[in-house]
Amino acid sequence: GAVVSQHPSRVICKSGTSVKIECRSLDFQATTMFWYRQFPKQSLMLMATSNEGSKATYEQGVEKDKFLINHASLTLSTLTVTSAHPEDSSFYICSVLLAGGSSYNEQFFGPGTRLTVL
Amino acid sequence: RKEVEQDPGPFNVPEGATVAFNCTYSNSASQSFFWYRQDCRKEPKLLMSVYSSGNEDGRFTAQLNRASQYISLLIRDSKLSDSATYLCVVNQAGTALIFGKGTTLSVSS
Repeated sequence: GAVVSQHPSRVICKSGTSVKIECRSLDFQATTMFWYRQFPKQSLMLMATSNEGSKATYEQGVEKDKFLINHASLTLSTLTVTSAHPEDSSFYICSVLLAGGSSYNEQFFGPGTRLTVL
Repeated sequence: RKEVEQDPGPFNVPEGATVAFNCTYSNSASQSFFWYRQDCRKEPKLLMSVYSSGNEDGRFTAQLNRASQYISLLIRDSKLSDSATYLCVVNQAGTALIFGKGTTLSVSS
């Protein structure tokens, strides 16, 4: 399977600042990565699909100007939370799509980034 | 209607018990089905894929009923280490995973 890293693993910031989260595929070139968000006691919710070399596709209700996604290379996607507010505090997780000839496409998750906005 | 629905639990069982989790999904075009395990404050990890014929991995057995759009997970001989949240997950090829809210299992000695 693929090895996925995220950085930072945890960040605490003041309201109004911007936070960048990196997702790296360490041993696999990923044309597609996904960004999820999980609030306490809730399920993981897809925020956006990140495609290398093109604009990300955002899910309904996710502000693309607030959550900036850049997938400039096959091994790196970044999520920037701009002007973060306390309600943005959450667990952000990326996943890498491992596409192949099989009937299903497995995804591998990064370890997540816990964002706390004060 | 939510795309993937699970009983949130919690299920509190003693060691050695057998426990079953159920899940329903709404999109009949779903092609792939999984059970993930998520420990507190950690990322989800794939427990097993679910196939139409049913499949077993040690103490874990997964079943899929496409006609009823129903997925199940059976855990036999529960261990303390099985305590976690179990996520029912579906997707279509090449798309993002759709997660249920999860079912919490607590195994006690």
